[in-house]
Amino acid sequence: KQEVTQIPAALSVPEGENLVLNCSFTDSAIYNLQWFRQDPGKGLTSLLLIQSSQREQTSGRLNASLDKSSGRSTLYIAASQPGDSATYLCAPNSGGYQKVTFGTGTKLQVIP
Amino acid sequence: DAGVTQSPTHLIKTRGQQVTLRCSPKSGHDTVSWYQQALGQGPQFIFQYYEEEERQRGNFPDRFSGHQFPNYSSELNVNALLLGDSALYLCASSEVQGEKLFFGSGTQLSVL
Repeated sequence: KQEVTQIPAALSVPEGENLVLNCSFTDSAIYNLQWFRQDPGKGLTSLLLIQSSQREQTSGRLNASLDKSSGRSTLYIAASQPGDSATYLCAPNSGGYQKVTFGTGTKLQVIP
Repeated sequence: DAGVTQSPTHLIKTRGQQVTLRCSPKSGHDTVSWYQQALGQGPQFIFQYYEEEERQRGNFPDRFSGHQFPNYSSELNVNALLLGDSALYLCASSEVQGEKLFFGSGTQLSVL
């Protein structure tokens, strides 16, 4: 059974800082891994998808890396902004039928 | 192009009642998954539908059932509601199994 841990659980930083969110998972036999953000009481917005054969994906100020063999992924956010405040969730996909497992997320607050 | 749409947005029920939640996938998507998200937790996989069949199921009791229609829209039914069923119910769709998930805004269910 896949288990996902995200560290830290919460993070508060001043605007402009670069930051790293960590995700670890127990079953390294994954198909891909997706990072999402969630605003309070809302649905999830996809940020980045990394295929199992990839090491890294970038979108604007976001960069996600994947080390499948060690069961780890990191999300790097450059030059953080107050609008980045949200909960960030990582979700490895363990099967072709898309059995996706979520961590409990990292709640980020960026202070102006 | 409409994304994933869910209805209703909020719902209040009492214990023992039955509820039906609805989801229309993003245009061009044929796979629909349902997730339950309790407060402060990550989403938990309920089941996935593809070609009008349940293809994969998470660890949820038979009180949770679903259906997919020929137009790919889907319903989630929950019978004999319990207080613990109170949660945000999220629907996700994808174009191809195993690829990027797109989520709706969710249905907030409160069981009193």
